This record gives sequence, C-alpha cells and structure tokens, in this order.
Amino acid sequence: DQQVKQNSPSLSVQEGRISILNCDYTNSMFDYFLWYKKYPAEGPTFLISISSIKDKNEDGRFTVFLNKSAKHLSLHIVPSQPGDSAVYFCAASGRSGGSNYKLTFGKGTLLTVNP
Amino acid sequence: ETGVTQTPRHLVMGMTNKKSLKCEQHLGHNAMYWYKQSAKKPLELMFVYSLEERVENNSVPSRFSPECPNSSHLFLHLHTLQPEDSALYLCASSRTGYGYTFGSGTRLTVV
Repeated sequence: DQQVKQNSPSLSVQEGRISILNCDYTNSMFDYFLWYKKYPAEGPTFLISISSIKDKNEDGRFTVFLNKSAKHLSLHIVPSQPGDSAVYFCAASGRSGGSNYKLTFGKGTLLTVNP
Repeated sequence: ETGVTQTPRHLVMGMTNKKSLKCEQHLGHNAMYWYKQSAKKPLELMFVYSLEERVENNSVPSRFSPECPNSSHLFLHLHTLQPEDSALYLCASSRTGYGYTFGSGTRLTVV
C-alpha cells in the first residue's frame, strides 16, 4: 500500500506560468516532507522541505504548502522555466519516530515546461 | 559533484555473473541507503545502514547482498540476477534528522 501518492504522472505548463505538483500521504506519523527533483541519468537532488509544525515554506520560486488535516502537500513553482522540466518526487519521513530517518517516496510527477 | 559517488554508472551483466556496485560519501553522514528505481514505480528502499549497522532490509531477495565496511562506503553485491532486476540503483546518505544526498545511480541491465 502506497503511503505517499503522487496521482499525476505528468504535468505540462507554459513558461512563466505557475506549476502546481500535488502529493498525498496516508501515514499520520509522517512529520517531515521533502521534494526532490530528478533529471534523466542523474540522481534526485533535494529541492525544498517542510516540517509538520509549519504550513508553508518558501525558497525563491519554490513554495511548499502543507495541509495536515487533509494529509496533502503541494509544490508551487512560479514562474516556471524550461529548466524546471524534470521528474519531481515527494517524500516523507517520521523524524520523531526514532533513529531510522528513512524516506518514503511517491512515484514522481514528470513536469514539462514549454517555452 | 553531488558528494555521493556511485560506480559504475552503467552495468550490463548476465544472469550467471557476479558484480558489485560501489557507493562512496565524504559528507560526514552517518546513514547510507540503497534504493531501486524501476519504471513507473516509486523509489523502493532496499537497505538502510546506520552507523555501519544494517537497520533495515525490506524483503530484498538474497541475490542482493549489501556491505558497509565503514561509514563512507557502501556496496551492493549482485549474483544470479534476473532480467526483472534491471533498474536504476541509487545510493543515498544522510545525517540523522536531515534529508538525503543521492548519488547519480547505476543503470543496471541484466541480460
């Protein structure tokens, strides 16, 4: 059973517009959430994170929103650029659950930003 | 340079071969991980090593054998693999309480 779900396998957006990538989770023990970006032939790279004590975290063009009651988070990219085209993975962990800080990943969403 | 180096980048092996994947980090991290990425599937956690001790083995077949000789190195020994084991194998490391740093992965093809 998937604990982290990214229901949209792909998303296509025009350059300059907003990209919104969504992620849902089922495990209420998760309290730390991350987004990773992956280009072909490369490993995922960390993009932005949010702790469950917050509902928003912003870093430049990237903002992550967390809705704990809905067990939902989203990544907003504004404005979108062609170089943002990549696979975006949502990940979650239960940091307070002990020394094992393993991440559980979603399947990823392929974002294509068209010039 | 990501800080986590995986070798080789590409590997083609027969089902009767024995090979090893190598991962190295010099970030001062104390946990290392092997993940498998197959097409249209989430990243699947295979093994977790924390302070050089294996703390998790997610029902991985015995044809995959991890080894962590020290906190900077992690190996994945492969033998008698099946074609369905073809995938991207990713190594990651972390300091407890923080997110991972991934390597670039090894693209494995079993023929």
